[in-house]
Amino acid sequence: DAGITQSPRHKVTETGTPVTLRCHQTENHRYMYWYRQDPGHGLRLIHYSYGVKDTDKGEVSDGYSVSRSKTEDFLLTLESATSSQTSVYFCATTGNQETQYFGPGTRLLVL
Amino acid sequence: GENVEQHPSTLSVQEGDSAVIKCTYSDSASNYFPWYKQELGKGPQLIIDIRSNVGEKKDQRIAVTLNKTAKHFSLHITETQPEDSAVYFCAASSSNTGNQFYFGTGTSLTVIP
Repeated sequence: DAGITQSPRHKVTETGTPVTLRCHQTENHRYMYWYRQDPGHGLRLIHYSYGVKDTDKGEVSDGYSVSRSKTEDFLLTLESATSSQTSVYFCATTGNQETQYFGPGTRLLVL
Repeated sequence: GENVEQHPSTLSVQEGDSAVIKCTYSDSASNYFPWYKQELGKGPQLIIDIRSNVGEKKDQRIAVTLNKTAKHFSLHITETQPEDSAVYFCAASSSNTGNQFYFGTGTSLTVIP
């Protein structure tokens, strides 16, 4: 599982509050990704990073920002959470061999 | 961008039978096709993958086939067991898209004992 941890694993928050999810990896993988998973949509890419301080938008990036100040950490921030951002969020990493490994997920509920 | 479609969305088979899940993709530049298994409450886990220079790959009871001309690839599970019950996702990736992965919408497989 490439040593990927996500925190928190569960979070309940209120509309309009900021939320930060953390992804930590121990494999020194270059690429890191944030996905959201919703019924009927599969996994959709929010943002990804191809190196420290190098990030790019994915398919559903509106309302989300990311930061990567160290190789091992990739943060996802919801600046002002909305109910439409209730979802399960997965972090993933990819090393040189293209194999993508996923973390255990964070279940977020926005009330 | 790439568009990956996956069918069926649900699949029920009797234990011991085979299961087949199919995916199509749109971008001819895609060259890496992984399959993931996701159990309830867990993250997706890679079970098999195939690259565009190969037509078929097997790993015990699991096989994947790729038809580049038709732009489709399939997952085959033989001699299914109850522990194969899970959601399966296909994906496509290309170095041209900056290592982005595009996922199908998933197939919920139930193996009936």
